[in-house]
Amino acid sequence: QVQLQESGPGLVKPSQTLSLTCNVSGGSVSSGTYYWNWIRQPAGKGLEWIGRIYTNGNSNYNPSLKSRVTISVDTSKNQFSLKLSSVTAADTAVYYCARERITMIADAFDIWGQGTMVTVSS
Amino acid sequence: DIQMTQSPSTLSASVGDRVTITCRASQSISSWLAWYQQKPGKAPKLLIYKASILESGVPSRFSGSGSGTKFTLTINSLQPDDFATYYCQQYNTYLYSFGQGTKLEIK
Repeated sequence: QVQLQESGPGLVKPSQTLSLTCNVSGGSVSSGTYYWNWIRQPAGKGLEWIGRIYTNGNSNYNPSLKSRVTISVDTSKNQFSLKLSSVTAADTAVYYCARERITMIADAFDIWGQGTMVTVSS
Repeated sequence: DIQMTQSPSTLSASVGDRVTITCRASQSISSWLAWYQQKPGKAPKLLIYKASILESGVPSRFSGSGSGTKFTLTINSLQPDDFATYYCQQYNTYLYSFGQGTKLEIK
């Protein structure tokens, strides 16, 4: 059974870079049948897609965040990562990693990590 | 960008009721729509994809319908475990977007 687990600092200072990792267990990020995504949710608010990556490193990003986001994959560690630069308080949210099945250009997110809360504050 | 609008924002119902949540897209998304259930402090859980296909393990009291710009999630015979927030999500392209959520409360 595939499981995803986010990890990283829970507190980041304004203007710094938020870095999170999603560890994949019970499956492989090298599988050619999935995309690996990051999604966030500010407290009490809705869900915002950040971006996704394929095992070969090809990535897509939300245009509203694209200038600040980098998603990478490390197949040797079976994990993928998120970096969000120049953070502000508006980036405070629960960050989720999620798996997306490849059937067409895009698909639903069938497995999610439990989420990790990141607060941007000095 | 494709905007997703859910209604109502809040829905009060009782155990055993049948409820319907509506999701509208700002442009046609064919059947590329998913529904998720989220409970407080938990990650969303996929319920339905491609507008009407039930994800494995999801109870059959959940059903989805629609295409184009209007979609519905119906829950028959509400159970105590169903009180949660529900989100729709379009995946017509990889520029995914979610509805604002519908909170299903106990009446």
